[in-house]
Amino acid sequence: QVQLQESGPGLVKPSETLSLTCAVSGYSISSAYYWGWIRQPPGKGLEWIGNIYHSGSTYYNPSLKSRVTMSVDTSKNQFSLKLSSVTAADTAVYYCARLGYYDVLTGYYPGGIDYWGQGTLVTVSS
Amino acid sequence: QSALTQPRSVSGSPGQSVTISCTGTSSDVGGYNYVSWFQQHPGKAPKLIIYDVSKRPSGVPDRFSGSKSGNTASLTISGLQAEDEADYYCCSYGGSYTLVFGGGTKLTVL
Repeated sequence: QVQLQESGPGLVKPSETLSLTCAVSGYSISSAYYWGWIRQPPGKGLEWIGNIYHSGSTYYNPSLKSRVTMSVDTSKNQFSLKLSSVTAADTAVYYCARLGYYDVLTGYYPGGIDYWGQGTLVTVSS
Repeated sequence: QSALTQPRSVSGSPGQSVTISCTGTSSDVGGYNYVSWFQQHPGKAPKLIIYDVSKRPSGVPDRFSGSKSGNTASLTISGLQAEDEADYYCCSYGGSYTLVFGGGTKLTVL
């Protein structure tokens, strides 16, 4: 059973950097799947933040690209998110998830986001 | 990359059917057969109920069905049950490894 668990500070000051880690169990992060982050401001909809592959290849939402950095640690079977220069608008529940996979014959297949973490609320406030 | 357009709310009585629309552009919904739908209950993570426009993951009742015409995808829930009351989100592949979500639809079972 694939399980994802987010961890990180629940409170970040404005202008600082938000840092979260997603630990994956029950499945190797070095497989053909992509992994990523999705966020949801309180009372609002979902927003895709970005994807990462175990090779380190990353793909970011253009609206956040200048502030987002994702990384992967295959030895710990986990991946991470950093979002810089945060403001109150970045207050949200942040989910990590498994997003699509790479097929050597057909290329990237987005599929459905079938496994999600439980989500972690990050509040940006001084 | 703009959010997909969904109705803010829909409602129906137990046993009835409801349809939720999701409108995008030729760069996302209309350009790929990679539309998925998620059900989200309060305080919970989203749950995948439809992928690749009309496929259901194992364990999802066949009361849930998906379709697409042009730039608009639709989720139909037939035989409404009380536990179907939730928020529903569509999501489409937008090319170049990107995803775009709809704004969400609140389903009320009367």
